[in-house]
Amino acid sequence: QLQLQESVPGLVKPSETLSLTCTVSGGSISSSTYYWGWIRQPPGKGLEWIGSLFYDGRTYYNPSLKSRVTISVDTSKTQFSLKLRSVIAADTAVYYCARHSTVTSFIFDPWGPGTLVTVSS
Amino acid sequence: QSALTQPPSASGSPGQSVTISCTGTSSDVGGYNYVSWYQQHPGKAPKLMIYEVSKRPSGVPDRFSGSKSDSTASLTVSGLQTEDEADYYCSSYAGSNNVVFGGGTELTVL
Repeated sequence: QLQLQESVPGLVKPSETLSLTCTVSGGSISSSTYYWGWIRQPPGKGLEWIGSLFYDGRTYYNPSLKSRVTISVDTSKTQFSLKLRSVIAADTAVYYCARHSTVTSFIFDPWGPGTLVTVSS
Repeated sequence: QSALTQPPSASGSPGQSVTISCTGTSSDVGGYNYVSWYQQHPGKAPKLMIYEVSKRPSGVPDRFSGSKSDSTASLTVSGLQTEDEADYYCSSYAGSNNVVFGGGTELTVL
């Protein structure tokens, strides 16, 4: 059974770079059937798609975050990463990684349990 | 791209039916049959309940159903049960390889 698990960076200072890793078990990122995405949820608020990755390295980003985001896959093909630069307090959120279908249907399933990232000095 | 519009709250008694709306535009909900619905219990990750407007993943009770008319999608929960109390989010393809979510609806089972 496919499982995803986000790393736990915890606290990030304003203007620094948030770095997260999603570890995939029970399946392979190298599958040509699926994409791998990041979604975030500020405390008490709704969901926001950050971006997604295909196993061959192709990336797709939310236009509102594109200038600050990089998503990449590691050479082991068991992890993919998120980097969000120049963070501000509004980037405080629970960050989820999830597998999804195409970059049209965007069916997110399954999801990782999520990790809270707090931006504060 | 703007978030899809959902009512902040909805409620119903056990056994009743409740419908949650998700309103977008012709650029997202109205333009594609790629609407999904997710259930989120407090402190948990979202769970896929409906995809491609009205399809149910394996394991999701048939009490959950989805539909769409023009730029408004709907999730109906029939025969409400206490475990259905949760937040529900819709999402839609928004063109150019983008997806947008709704603001979420808190469903209370009275």
